[in-house]
Amino acid sequence: ETGVTQSPTHLIKTRGQQVTLRCSSQSGHNTVSWYQQALGQGPQFIFQYYREEENGRGNFPPRFSGLQFPNYSSELNVNALELDDSALYLCASSRNPGLAGGIFKDTQYFGPGTRLTVL
Amino acid sequence: QQQVKQSPQSLIVQKGGISIINCAYENTAFDYFPWYQQFPGKGPALLIAIRPDVSEKKEGRFTISFNKSAKQFSLHIMDSQPGDSATYFCAATGGSQGNLIFGKGTKLSVKP
Repeated sequence: ETGVTQSPTHLIKTRGQQVTLRCSSQSGHNTVSWYQQALGQGPQFIFQYYREEENGRGNFPPRFSGLQFPNYSSELNVNALELDDSALYLCASSRNPGLAGGIFKDTQYFGPGTRLTVL
Repeated sequence: QQQVKQSPQSLIVQKGGISIINCAYENTAFDYFPWYQQFPGKGPALLIAIRPDVSEKKEGRFTISFNKSAKQFSLHIMDSQPGDSATYFCAATGGSQGNLIFGKGTKLSVKP
């Protein structure tokens, strides 16, 4: 078990609604990355937060947004939910962001995920 | 360029056998290659990882073999056990990005 926690565990929403998912990073980690994992697929990178700022973004529309707080915990917000947003949302924390020019790429430790179902 | 291709999609192995999962990548800037194990309803858990300055890394029953020139790497699970039944993902990261690029996964079933 990693020290990364996520809430809630499961969530059911209807199309057009908004949702907020939460993540607490492992002690000593300052970087949080969010991934979307559709059924039967590998995780897809949404974005990464480092020192409370977005530090890279995958191919996801602007209705996917996030925050990182001073204690390094993070939120993922999704507006105007679509049926295709149904997935397992994973949060991963690490010690370093893996920036260009960064010292090294550190291991990302995943939380248990939040299962979002959009009806 | 950003893809990591993983095969096979599914694998059935007898208890005590060797499970082999292969991955290939295109982006030569990748410099960190982890493998994750995921059980149903759980998040991926880091199993073992390698950097391209070595050709092999072994941890217990798990070994990564890395071929830099071919841009391929593989996971070998020796003496496979029913408890190893899970989905395995290879991943890669490097260059200007900090995010992991995942393969599509291999569902491993180890039969008793």
